[in-house]
Amino acid sequence: GAGVSQSPSNKVTEKGKDVELRCDPISGHTALYWYRQRLGQGLEFLIYFQGNSAPDKSGLPSDRFSAERTGESVSTLTIQRTQQEDSAVYLCASSSGLVGETQYFGPGTRLLVL
Amino acid sequence: AQRVTQPEKLLSVFKGAPVELKCNYSYSGSPELFWYVQYSRQRLQLLLRHISRESIKGFTADLNKGETSFHLKKPFAQEEDSAMYYCALTGGGSNYKLTFGKGTLLTVNP
Repeated sequence: GAGVSQSPSNKVTEKGKDVELRCDPISGHTALYWYRQRLGQGLEFLIYFQGNSAPDKSGLPSDRFSAERTGESVSTLTIQRTQQEDSAVYLCASSSGLVGETQYFGPGTRLLVL
Repeated sequence: AQRVTQPEKLLSVFKGAPVELKCNYSYSGSPELFWYVQYSRQRLQLLLRHISRESIKGFTADLNKGETSFHLKKPFAQEEDSAMYYCALTGGGSNYKLTFGKGTLLTVNP
């Protein structure tokens, strides 16, 4: 079946504007993750959703970042009042939700804040 | 805190030569270790995980708890192995967050 999809693939915005990034997980996957990869860095965990449990937001870098997920489907990551340091590739991953199961990654959204 | 270190940003070898990508980790419990790979213009994908003890595309990795290492090895590199390789860990159990190293770009020259 289809893998994890993300949109848009690229986003250029001006400093101070809000952006919304979308992730469609693999059908049936209850767990969804957002990561960020800044240039020259490894991936940083941002947030995790598992079914109807409260999300783990411990990786969100500031209160300008928020994410939502509707049931076990689409998730959106919102960055308010973007700053230049928010420029990065934002990756979404999903897994079956079983402990230790493989995370499958989307192609990412490349965000550039001017 | 959990941390993954990949000391080499770049690694270049010739086709047919052995290759070893280094990974060291810091974690107080019993981690699960992974290698992810990203080929040019493709998405990040799992290459192998230590609990499976398998060989994928000729690559193997052994978890050495004494040295806190999980180096990735292949005896004879191929040009199609050229890619970005990331070592990652989770704490196991209910600790699901992946902590990644910064990655090593492997280039296999003809």
